[in-house]
Order: sequence, then structure tokens, then C-alpha cells
Amino acid sequence: NAGVTQTPKFQVLKTGQSMTLQCAQDMNHNSMYWYRQDPGMGLRLIYYSASEGTTDKGEVPNGYNVSRLNKREFSLRLESAAPSQTSVYFCASSKTGDWSTEAFFGQGTRLTVV
Amino acid sequence: GNSVTQMEGPVTLSEEAFLTINCTYTATGYPSLFWYVQYPGEGLQLLLKATKADDKGSNKGFEATYRKETTSFHLEKGSVQVSDSAVYFCALGSGGSYIPTFGRGTSLIVHP
Repeated sequence: NAGVTQTPKFQVLKTGQSMTLQCAQDMNHNSMYWYRQDPGMGLRLIYYSASEGTTDKGEVPNGYNVSRLNKREFSLRLESAAPSQTSVYFCASSKTGDWSTEAFFGQGTRLTVV
Repeated sequence: GNSVTQMEGPVTLSEEAFLTINCTYTATGYPSLFWYVQYPGEGLQLLLKATKADDKGSNKGFEATYRKETTSFHLEKGSVQVSDSAVYFCALGSGGSYIPTFGRGTSLIVHP
């Protein structure tokens, strides 16, 4: 039972480069989320997808785009990376979007922008 | 709007000490409350949850009781182990909202 799988686990980018973070879940969950985690800031929501075919901005969406490719996959794209986007990124999913049930998290992607 | 406030860390304890990590919240309606744990280098995983007032969530020796009158969900453990060293997040999910609310996390360090 894989749960939520993120790739890559580590990435170093140069300023201005682009990349896509991949996330897939095998639990048939409806809702998926992208967070970033920075020291002293806790978790901040970047984008979420309440259900297949929908996406919405979270707390810190600037500089990011997302695609809900199908029910399983939710990708996060950085079009032109900046040092301020150095962070640990987590994908999460939940069965129901109202968070009355638990969320499952991936292992994280540690991104450094130089 | 919804918010979650956790005590700031790090919390440093000796093995077998009693642990309390405070969590208070503000929310409309009747939220579900969660504690998540993040071990070094890993993602978050659910530790315990409570979905209505006076419910007690428990797992791995940890407990937390949903107190509506004090809007609190404090995490407790009677005897911590070195392996409990991690970051603990309090969170709430409000019915009808797709955006959960997390506290900033409390780092726990347990020394032998």
C-alpha cells in the first residue's frame, strides 16, 4: 500500500529554471493538496484540488501552478524558480474534502533554489 | 476564520517524563481535531483524532481530549521515549471547508 508518492525526493535548481513536482495517491481519495514547510512557519497551503477537475488557490499560490491530471495525480509546477521557493514541499490527500477524515501525506520533496 | 495555536518549542524532556503540548483553536461550527507527528526527514502522519466534543483520541500512549468549553485539544503522554522525538502538529478540519488549518508545530526532544 503505497499511499501518497512524491517525486523527486530532492532537487537543486538554478534561479529561473522550471520543474514539476509529481504526486500520486492510490487510495481513491477525492481531495489533494500541496503544502510548503519552512522553518518556524509550519505548513502553508499552496493549492488544493477538492475533486477531480477542480483546483483552487491556497494561502501562498504566487509562483506556482497545479494540474489535477486525473483522480490519482496532482502536480505542482514552478515556472521560474526563485530562491524564496527553497523549501520542503508536501503533497497530501484526503477522502473527503471537508477534513472530517484524516489526511495522508507524502514523504516530501526537498527543493533548493540557488 | 479558523485558527490553531500551539505552544512554541522546542520542548526538551528526559526519557520517562510526562508530556503536555498545548493546543487551542478557534473555529465556526463543530470541527474535527487532529494531532499529526512528523519524524525527522519524513512526511506528516496522523497520530490521533477526535470528531466531537468530549471525545478522547488515543494512539501509541498519546491522548488528547476534545474540550469544547475551553476550545482545547492538548496532547499528553505519561512517559515519553527517545523515539518520540519529532515535531507535533495540531490541526482542525471544519465541515464544508476544503482548507484544513494547522498549528505551527511543536518540536519535542527527548534525552536518554
